[in-house]
Amino acid sequence: AQSVTQLGSHVSVSEGALVLLRCNYSSSVPPYLFWYVQYPNQGLQLLLKYTSAATLVKGINGFEAEFKKSETSFHLTKPSAHMSDAAEYFCAVSVSGNQGGKLIFGQGTELSVKP
Amino acid sequence: DGGITQSPKYLFRKEGQNVTLSCEQNLNHDAMYWYRQDPGQGLRLIYYSQIVNDFQKGDIAEGYSVSREKKESFPLTVTSAQKNPTAFYLCASSVDSSRRTGELFFGEGSRLTVL
Repeated sequence: AQSVTQLGSHVSVSEGALVLLRCNYSSSVPPYLFWYVQYPNQGLQLLLKYTSAATLVKGINGFEAEFKKSETSFHLTKPSAHMSDAAEYFCAVSVSGNQGGKLIFGQGTELSVKP
Repeated sequence: DGGITQSPKYLFRKEGQNVTLSCEQNLNHDAMYWYRQDPGQGLRLIYYSQIVNDFQKGDIAEGYSVSREKKESFPLTVTSAQKNPTAFYLCASSVDSSRRTGELFFGEGSRLTVL
């Protein structure tokens, strides 16, 4: 079975500071991992995904994530936060087996950016 | 532009009434999904469909029903049997449900409030 855990339901940073959102996964098969972003009252938008190629994955809006098998982690980072980064972020893992490409999502982390 | 259209964006319902949420996609995707989002609980899968005229229950299907008569349409009915229907509902699609590496594309969501 697969699962993801996001550490911290709310993270607050100052504008220009490093953003670090934590995600740990559990998977009985090689995982495929995703980060999505959600702005208020909108759907989710894909930031980046790991599909067993390079362990350092670069996404949109300056975000990147590193897959670390030894730590079962896939943390999301951005060197310098911008006010427009304030949103909710979800980590997700793809379900194994013939289950229709389902994703299992973490609880989400709300990112606040202070001026 | 290709995408997923959900309607209505906001919906109010009296207790005991059924309501149907619309989801239409013009991405030519095979698979479609319905997720429910509650604060602090991430996204939970209600139903998914891998192909026309076929669908499977997700983790929280009780009190919901779906149909998939056309490739581009996957409406969700919230029945009076759903005990706590107030939530944000998200429809998604993916190119091919057999691909674990495939990302989900989301609509903008429908917010249902039971009065």
